[in-house]
Amino acid sequence: GAVVSQHPSWVICKSGTSVKIECRSLDFQATTMFWYRQFPKQSLMLMATSNEGSKATYEQGVEKDKFLINHASLTLSTLTVTSAHPEDSSFYICSAYPPGGAGSEQYFGPGTRLTVT
Amino acid sequence: RKEVEQDPGPFNVPEGATVAFNCTYSNSASQSFFWYRQDCRKEPKLLMSVYSSGNEDGRFTAQLNRASQYISLLIRDSKLSDSATYLCVGVYNFNKFYFGSGTKLNVKP
Repeated sequence: GAVVSQHPSWVICKSGTSVKIECRSLDFQATTMFWYRQFPKQSLMLMATSNEGSKATYEQGVEKDKFLINHASLTLSTLTVTSAHPEDSSFYICSAYPPGGAGSEQYFGPGTRLTVT
Repeated sequence: RKEVEQDPGPFNVPEGATVAFNCTYSNSASQSFFWYRQDCRKEPKLLMSVYSSGNEDGRFTAQLNRASQYISLLIRDSKLSDSATYLCVGVYNFNKFYFGSGTKLNVKP
């Protein structure tokens, strides 16, 4: 099946710094990717929809200037957490589905665990 | 109100038991539904799609009831390896996934 990778798998950073997380579709092209955040013992919350070649669409309550999304190619979307704070510590997961697969199964990356100290 | 709601559990059952989870959704415009399984500190993995006509895959059966706006998952003959968190998902606007909070299942020997 389709494979989505993320890098890094975990990262520890100091408060105030920025962290970039990469999401790649390895064997298919993804015009749309999604970014989720999951706090401990909570479910995945959709943060934003990343569209190749255009601006991301953010869910209500998600600060677009804090969570910068760039979908520069059909196989890569990046999420940059700017000026990270301890409350940004979370499990960040991306997903994608192949073109034409809207509404069908999404393929999830393995996630990136961010800890801000 | 959340788009998709689930009982968080945990459900503690012995091996071989039959267990059922329900999930309710608030938006009648949702196009499709799924059950995902998530193991601790891992990404979600698709378990099965959910249809009004029902969907069975081995020991797992999923059902959608649009009139009452709920979906269900039935697991028969529980195995130790079924221990995980089960997430129901509603799809809106043909591509947005909204996850329930997850139901934790512990299958005991």
